Amino acid sequence: DVVLTQTPVSLLISLGGQASISCRSSQSLVHSNGNTYLHWYLQKPGQSPQLLIYQVSNRFSGIPDRFSGSGSGTDFTLKISRVEPEDLGVYYCLQRTHNPPTFGGGTKLELK
Amino acid sequence: QVKLLQSGAALVKPGASVKMSCKASGYTFTDYWVSWVKQSHGKSLEWIGEIYPNSGATNFNEKFKGKATLTVDKSTSTAYMELSRLTSEDSAIYYCTSGWFAYWGQGTLVTVSS
Repeated sequence: DVVLTQTPVSLLISLGGQASISCRSSQSLVHSNGNTYLHWYLQKPGQSPQLLIYQVSNRFSGIPDRFSGSGSGTDFTLKISRVEPEDLGVYYCLQRTHNPPTFGGGTKLELK
Repeated sequence: QVKLLQSGAALVKPGASVKMSCKASGYTFTDYWVSWVKQSHGKSLEWIGEIYPNSGATNFNEKFKGKATLTVDKSTSTAYMELSRLTSEDSAIYYCTSGWFAYWGQGTLVTVSS
C-alpha cells in the first residue's frame, strides 16, 4: 500500500499567520491517465473530514483562496495563509491514485 | 445539496455483528461509488471498501475482507455496511463518503463492549 507521511505532526500558528503542511508519498501519485489524485481535508473537532483541495491544487466548492495546494510526483504541500480560528483541526492528505486509497497520519493545527 | 445521513451510534457485544446505513440525497445515487472509512479513536483514517450502487460491484481493502459486507438499496438511495465477528479493535467511527471522497456522512460510532 502507498504510505503517505505528513509533517509536521502538529503545528502552532498565530491567528493571521501562515501554515505549511507536507505530504510525502512512498511512490509517485501520477495515475496512468496523467492525473494526480492527491486530496487535502480538514477534520474539525467532532466533525467528519471536509474536502479542501482535490487533485493537488483545485479548491473545492466554497473553500476560500487562503487555502492552496501544490506539488507533484511524491511531494505535496498544503498552505494556509491568514489563519483564522475556523481553520483549527486536523489536516489529512488522501491518495486515490493507487488501490487501496490511503490517508496520511494527520497534522494538527493549533493556535499559538 | 448533497447529503449523506448515517444511522445512529451502536453498542454491540463482542462476537456479534452490526449493520449501519448511509442515506444519500441531492445527487444521483447510482452515479458514484460509495466508500466506507474507519477512524479509530484519535487516529487516522482507513479505507474499508467501496460499492457501486448501479451494479452492486464492490472493492475491498485486503485488511477488511471477511470483516465488512457492503450492500445498497437503490429504491431508497441507501448504502449499508455490516461488520461481523466484532472485537474491541472494531470500536471506531465509521464514515460513508461519495463523489470521489468529496462528500462525507456525519459518521456512526460503534462501540464493542460486553
